[in-house]
Amino acid sequence: SQTIHQWPATLVQPVGSPLSLECTVEGTSNPNLYWYRQAAGRGLQLLFYSVGIGQISSEVPQNLSASRPQDRQFILSSKKLLLSDSGFYLCAWSTLGQGPQETQYFGPGTRLLVL
Amino acid sequence: QQQVKQSPQSLIVQKGGISIINCAYENTAFDYFPWYQQFPGKGPALLIAIRPDVSEKKEGRFTISFNKSAKQFSLHIMDSQPGDSATYFCAASGRGSTLGRLYFGRGTQLTVWP
Repeated sequence: SQTIHQWPATLVQPVGSPLSLECTVEGTSNPNLYWYRQAAGRGLQLLFYSVGIGQISSEVPQNLSASRPQDRQFILSSKKLLLSDSGFYLCAWSTLGQGPQETQYFGPGTRLLVL
Repeated sequence: QQQVKQSPQSLIVQKGGISIINCAYENTAFDYFPWYQQFPGKGPALLIAIRPDVSEKKEGRFTISFNKSAKQFSLHIMDSQPGDSATYFCAASGRGSTLGRLYFGRGTQLTVWP
C-alpha cells in the first residue's frame, strides 16, 4: 500500500531564516507530487507540482521553491522566511494510469509558524 | 478566478440532521468531482467522488448529487454525527487539465451538535 510522509510535523522559525520541508512517498513509482499551503481557516492553495525528477511547475510566484531530487521525494524550500509564510503545508501525490488519475492523496502536513 | 465555488462557508447541524454542501463550476471540461474531509491538524482525505455519467453516488451516509446541466454538485450527509464535524472540500478536475490538477473549493466547516 502507498503511504506519504512529511516532516517535520511542526516547525517554528524566525523571520528571515531558511526553510526545508520534506515529503516522501512509498509504495508507488513515478507519482505526480504537489505542495499546497493552507492558511488558518482557509482553503488549499496549490504552490508547486511535479511530474518527474527535476520537473517543477510553480503556481504562485513567491519566495518559496521546490525540488524533486528523487522520484518519490519532494522538497519545499525558502532562503528567507516571511511572516506570511506561516501556515499548514500539505504534500500530495497522484498517479497516472492506475485508477482515477485525478485522485490526490494527502500527507499529514507540516504546521509552520514564522515569528 | 475561483474555478470551483463552494457554499456555505460554515454549517451547523444537529445530530441526526442532514448536512448539505453545494459546489458549482464553470469549466465544462471538468469530469471528475471528489469531496475531501479534513479534521483539524490533519491532511484532507478523499471521502467520495463522482463522474458526470451518473447523477448520484452513495456511500453509506454520504451522497453526491450531480447536475450536469446546472454545473452543480452537492454533498449530502444523512444522519449527521458529531464525528462528522470537519472541514469539507469539493474539487474538480478534467482529463485535459494539467496532469491531474485538482481545483478546490474554499471549504465548508461543518459542526454537528450532539
